[in-house]
Order: sequence, then structure tokens, then C-alpha cells
Amino acid sequence: GPKVLQIPSHQIIDMGQMVTLNCDPVSNHLYFYWYKQILGQQMEFLVNFYNGKVMEKSKLFKDQFSVERPDGSYFTLKIQPTALEDSAVYFCASSPQGASAETLYFGSGTRLTVL
Amino acid sequence: AQKVTQTQTSISVVEKTTVTMDCVYETRDSSYFLFWYKQTASGEIVFLIRQDSYKKENATVGHYSLNFQKPKSSIGLIITATQIEDSAVYFCAMREGRGNTNKVVFGTGTRLQVLP
Repeated sequence: GPKVLQIPSHQIIDMGQMVTLNCDPVSNHLYFYWYKQILGQQMEFLVNFYNGKVMEKSKLFKDQFSVERPDGSYFTLKIQPTALEDSAVYFCASSPQGASAETLYFGSGTRLTVL
Repeated sequence: AQKVTQTQTSISVVEKTTVTMDCVYETRDSSYFLFWYKQTASGEIVFLIRQDSYKKENATVGHYSLNFQKPKSSIGLIITATQIEDSAVYFCAMREGRGNTNKVVFGTGTRLQVLP
């Protein structure tokens, strides 16, 4: 089936540093998402993105977070500066049209450890 | 605001039996979509099955089926003839159908262990 790729699978950084998480969505998909999961618990919605713009974001999407997809390249989540509570697994997802009935296709996640 | 609740944190069953996982949801919309996803031990998240709120028939895909009780805002997942490889965490999720909302909200998950 369609695959969403996330790079890297694991990232360890020091608190206060900047980190960029990369996502390669399914090629013909137009809507992109980031979710945060702590310790295998609930997946919390962070943000969704369409046509170069943030469509919705949650309270977890702090001012230190930003997303972009320059020129159809990776869909990225940047955290600057990082905090200890940002340690989690971040999942990228995409869907073709963003229609309500469509399922999300998830990547394998990037485990972020902030020291 | 939309909300999804899974009260069962963990379930253990013997293989080849049937298991039901509960999920209730909250929404103000008359149109919405309900999903079940599975997260394997490797962390991979896989879509399993979907129920559209306007459909009365319960969705069925392979050995997965849904028990959709709209008046109770309930969408249970039924797995028949469970197999060892069904062991995973199962997430219920919902997306509202109105406007430009594309956010999918997940429940806290139910860990299923299928024993030999």
C-alpha cells in the first residue's frame, strides 16, 4: 500500500537545540498531518497542512513549532527551541484529498529524545 | 468539541476466540466518520476499518467488523477468530464531516494480547 516515510527514525538532541523532523508523504496526497505520541499512549493531533498553509492546529502546537513543505519536498516539523516535554514519538500522516471519509496513512514515526 | 473515549486499557484473549473493543465518541455534527487503527509492536500504524455515520449497516472487512450504535454514540470493534498476530494496540478515531475540518481525533487505545 501507499507509504509515508519518516526520517530519521530516532533523534537525540540537547534541550534548547533546534530539530527538524522530515516526512515524505504519499506522492499524490495533498493533506499532511503531525501527531505526537508519548510512551505509546494516545496520539495527539498537532497540526494539519494543505496547499502551503496550516489549516488547523491544537494547543500542543506551541509557538516553538512550525511546519512547511517547500516546493513539494519533505513535509517538515521544526521545533526551535526544544524542551524536555517535547520528547515523544512524532507521526506524520497524509491523505489524498482531506475529505472527511478518507483514511490517514501514517509513517513509522520519529522518536525524539530531548536531553 | 470532538472526543473519543476508550475505557478498556488492556484485554487478553485466547486465540481463535472473538473479542470486542469498546469506543464511545462525542460530536455535535450530524455527519462524521469513525475509524479503527492498529499499532503494532514495531510502532507501525495501520488503518483497519471505517464507519460512515449516515450508513446503518455495520462495516465489515475480513475478520474485523463494527458494532455501530448511533443512539449510544458507540462504535465497537469486533475481531473474530483472533490470531496471535492480532496482538497490538487498537485506536478508535473520529473525524467530523463539517466544513474544512480535517482533524482526526484518537482515543487512548486498547492493548490486545492474544494468547496461544
